[in-house]
Amino acid sequence: AQSVTQLDSQVPVFEEAPVELRCNYSSSVSVYLFWYVQYPNQGLQLLLKYLSGSTLVKGINGFEAEFNKSQTSFHLRKPSVHISDTAEYFCAVSESWGAQKLVFGQGTRLTINP
Amino acid sequence: DSGVTQTPKHLITATGQRVTLRCSPRSGDLSVYWYQQSLDQGLQFLIQYYNGEERAKGNILERFSAQQFPDLHSELNLSSLELGDSALYFCASSLQGDGNIQYFGAGTRLSVL
Repeated sequence: AQSVTQLDSQVPVFEEAPVELRCNYSSSVSVYLFWYVQYPNQGLQLLLKYLSGSTLVKGINGFEAEFNKSQTSFHLRKPSVHISDTAEYFCAVSESWGAQKLVFGQGTRLTINP
Repeated sequence: DSGVTQTPKHLITATGQRVTLRCSPRSGDLSVYWYQQSLDQGLQFLIQYYNGEERAKGNILERFSAQQFPDLHSELNLSSLELGDSALYFCASSLQGDGNIQYFGAGTRLSVL
């Protein structure tokens, strides 16, 4: 079985500052990794994904994440945040073979202060 | 817009009642997934259907059931509702062999009073 731990439940950041949202996962099999964003009163939007290949993946809205197999991490980064990035961010994992359900972390609430 | 449509957006009902949530997947997607988002449990996988057949089951209560119809839309039926069933219910769809990239609908917010 897989599990995901998002190490910070809340991250406050000033506008235009860099941010890193941390995600660690546990799995005995090969996995796919995802970051989703949930804006207030909206559904989940895919930010980026790691399926295979380059460990640095780029997503929408200037976000990127790096897959680190040895540390079982998939941290999300953005070099300069904007007020509009205020949202809840979810890290998720699924098996690359077999069961395709997503297992989510508890979420990190990113708050951007002016 | 993800292309996944969920209706209704909001549902308010009483304990003991039964409700049906509906999901239309993206055009061409054969898999439909249901998730529940609550404050205490977070986002939890409930059930997956692939081309009309149940593919995987998560922590879905016996009071809950789902099906996927020949036109690929899916319904989640919740019966004998309890206060604790109040949550946001999401549907997602994916294309088989696409790295399991799931696209989510806007959700149905269920309030059980």
